[in-house]
This record gives sequence, C-alpha cells and structure tokens, in this order.
Amino acid sequence: TQLLEQSPQFLSIQEGENLTVYCNSSSVFSSLQWYRQEPGEGPVLLVTVVTGGEVKKLKRLTFQFGDARKDSSLHITAAQPGDTGLYLCAAMGSGTYKYIFGTGTRLKVLA
Amino acid sequence: NAGVTQTPKFQVLKTGQSMTLQCAQDMNHNSMYWYRQDPGMGLRLIYYSASEGTTDKGEVPNGYNVSRLNKREFSLRLESAAPSQTSVYFCASSSSTGRNYGYTFGSGTRLTVV
Repeated sequence: TQLLEQSPQFLSIQEGENLTVYCNSSSVFSSLQWYRQEPGEGPVLLVTVVTGGEVKKLKRLTFQFGDARKDSSLHITAAQPGDTGLYLCAAMGSGTYKYIFGTGTRLKVLA
Repeated sequence: NAGVTQTPKFQVLKTGQSMTLQCAQDMNHNSMYWYRQDPGMGLRLIYYSASEGTTDKGEVPNGYNVSRLNKREFSLRLESAAPSQTSVYFCASSSSTGRNYGYTFGSGTRLTVV
C-alpha cells in the first residue's frame, strides 16, 4: 500500500506570515495533486503536477514536485484568513489510475 | 453548474439498516468515485467506476456495493450498516482516469450509524 505522509498535521499562523507544508512518500508517483477543503464541503482541486522538479504558481501559492517524484511541497506567501482550510495531497502511482490521499494539513490563519 | 450533487446531506441509521447514497454529475465525466473521510485517516477510496458499465474495488470496499446507473449517476449502497461505517462520504468525478485529470467532489453525506 502506498502511503502519503503530510506534515505538519496542524498549523496556526498569523496573517501575513509565510508557510510551507509537505507531502512525502517512499514511492514514486506519476502525478500529484493538491486540494483545499473547507468545513462542510468537498475538496477543491488547486493544482496537478506531473514532471519531476516541476514548479507551479497559483497567486500566492507555490507548488513543487520533487525531482524524484516522491514528494511535494506547498508554499503560501503572506497567508490570509481565506487560506484557512484542510490541505490534502493526492498521488497516482505508476501503472495505476486512482489517486490516494494523504491525511492532510489543517491550516488556520488568524487575522 | 451544479457539478457533483450528493443526497442526502445527513443521515442517521440504526445498526443493520440499509440505505443508498446517491451521486449525480452534470459535467459529462466518464469516471466516478466514492470515498470516505474519517478523522486522521484522510480520504479512502471505496469503489470507483472508470467508465459507464464498469466498477472496481478501492482500498476499503467491504460492506459496500455500488451501481453505475448511467453516465451521470453512481450510487453507493450499505446493505447492513455498522457503527464502523460512521463517516463522511464523498462522491467525485473526473473526465478520465489519466494522471492529468483532476477530481470534482460533491459536498458530502455525513452518515452516523448508531
């Protein structure tokens, strides 16, 4: 069973601070996605990365796929209260067609 | 656009009762999925349907059955509910099963089995 570990599990920061959350595995993945989930709602896709070393930016969010395609990071610059939520990574293994999800990082940004 | 619609939003069952969770998508997606989300466990795949007419087991299929009724609808059935099935259930869909396709999720069904 492929496992995705996310760290930290919980993060509480002040508005304007920067932060990075991580998604790690011992397995190689063909692609990796990041989602954000708000209370009472389903996850919403933020980005998909498929190439080792790939970096994608979405406004203040920067996503990176590790060179070996075993890990990924999400960096948020100048966090805002609207960034509060559960951040989930999901990865697809080579030769499979299903995404497995990490347990998530719960972020709270205080005004 | 409605996207992925799940019904009901909340349900309380007694142990041994049965029920069907409904899911419909209006995006003409080929693939559909059922996940459950439990504290500290993340999202775990129960069943999926890569295309109309096919279904396959995911990580935690025991105690569940599914039906891909047509391209739009994918239902999840609990034949004899158990307290261990207390969870939040999410349906999702995607254009295809390839690695470049993201999932669109419904807003979930919160199920409690007492």
